[in-house]
Amino acid sequence: DVKVTQSSRYLVKRTGEKVFLECVQDMDHENMFWYRQDPGLGLRLIYFSYDVKMKEKGDIPEGYSVSREKKERFSLILESASTNQTSMYLCASNWGAHEKLFFGSGTQLSVL
Amino acid sequence: GENVEQHPSTLSVQEGDSAVIKCTYSDSASNYFPWYKQELGKGPQLIIDIRSNVGEKKDQRIAVTLNKTAKHFSLHITETQPEDSAVYFCAPLASTSKLTFGTGTRLQVTL
Repeated sequence: DVKVTQSSRYLVKRTGEKVFLECVQDMDHENMFWYRQDPGLGLRLIYFSYDVKMKEKGDIPEGYSVSREKKERFSLILESASTNQTSMYLCASNWGAHEKLFFGSGTQLSVL
Repeated sequence: GENVEQHPSTLSVQEGDSAVIKCTYSDSASNYFPWYKQELGKGPQLIIDIRSNVGEKKDQRIAVTLNKTAKHFSLHITETQPEDSAVYFCAPLASTSKLTFGTGTRLQVTL
């Protein structure tokens, strides 16, 4: 079974801290994605990557950056965390554009 | 970008009844129409998908129907069971690798 692993299930950070969310997939997927999920807003795409060292902005990239140095790993970085970035963060991956997305279990981030 | 609307936002049905969730989209170039199910504490999981060259697809108790002219597709769950209780998302896709998710439908199956 494909596995997408997110490094933390729960994370509490202070305003202004630099935050790293890590995601690893074990199926050699080309594409990797970061979404945030908020009640009533569904899943919104932050960034995605279709190859190593490649990245594309999603719908809400402001305040975030990403890194993909290796194919299996996709990191989401909050340069200076703010309270409005308190949310559930979901990582996903797939082989191609019209293929099934595999999601991690999510990281619930609280910024105080 | 794609404008996606999903209705209803919440749905409560009795065990054994049917449930229907509708997703409308704006981009006429959309050609891939998946539905994801998210159980509490987990990431979403694909349950069924359809491509634009077919109008309906069925997998046991779940089915998806597509109306490309009207730009909507629907998820149908028959003989609902308590384990169907979850949040369901549609995610129509046009030309890029970037899915746009609907805002979700919370389905509650009551005994």
